[in-house]
Amino acid sequence: AQSVTQLDSHVSVSEGTPVLLRCNYSSSYSPSLFWYVQHPNKGLQLLLKYTSAATLVKGINGFEAEFKKSETSFHLTKPSAHMSDAAEYFCVVSEIGTYKYIFGTGTRLKVLA
Amino acid sequence: EADIYQTPRYLVIGTGKKITLECSQTMGHDKMYWYQQDPGMELHLIHYSYGVNSTEKGDLSSESTVSRIRTEHFPLTLESARPSHTSQYLCASSESRTGELFFGEGSRLTVL
Repeated sequence: AQSVTQLDSHVSVSEGTPVLLRCNYSSSYSPSLFWYVQHPNKGLQLLLKYTSAATLVKGINGFEAEFKKSETSFHLTKPSAHMSDAAEYFCVVSEIGTYKYIFGTGTRLKVLA
Repeated sequence: EADIYQTPRYLVIGTGKKITLECSQTMGHDKMYWYQQDPGMELHLIHYSYGVNSTEKGDLSSESTVSRIRTEHFPLTLESARPSHTSQYLCASSESRTGELFFGEGSRLTVL
């Protein structure tokens, strides 16, 4: 069975400082992993995805994530937070070809001026 | 910019009314999904479709129904809305090769 745990429900950072949003997963298969961002009253937008290629994945808006199989983690990072990064972030695990996408409970990122 | 569209974006209706939330995608994706999301909460799958004339219920029980007569269209219907149906409904489709989900902007339903 697959599952995903986002370790922090809220994260606050100052503008210009690094961002770390943590995600651990469990999967019986080689997983596909995704990070999505949701701004208020909007749908979800893909930030980046891991599908068994390079373990360090670069996404949009300066975000990146590293797939660590030994730690079953897929943490999202950004070197320098911007005010526009304030949003809800979801870590998602899936097995390609199925309808099953398991969503984490989300991490709300707050960026302080 | 994802080519998946939902209407209406916002809907306020009275109890007992029938409503249909529309979802259309222009990417030719076979798989489509409806998720329900309460404020500040995770997404729960309520319906999915593998293609035309294929619909299945998701993990979260829902009184809504869906249809898939055309590849690009996946409407969701509530025959008799109740206050407990108040929520945000997100439609998505997925790209077969990578599994990437594409989301619409959501339909926020309020039932009075």
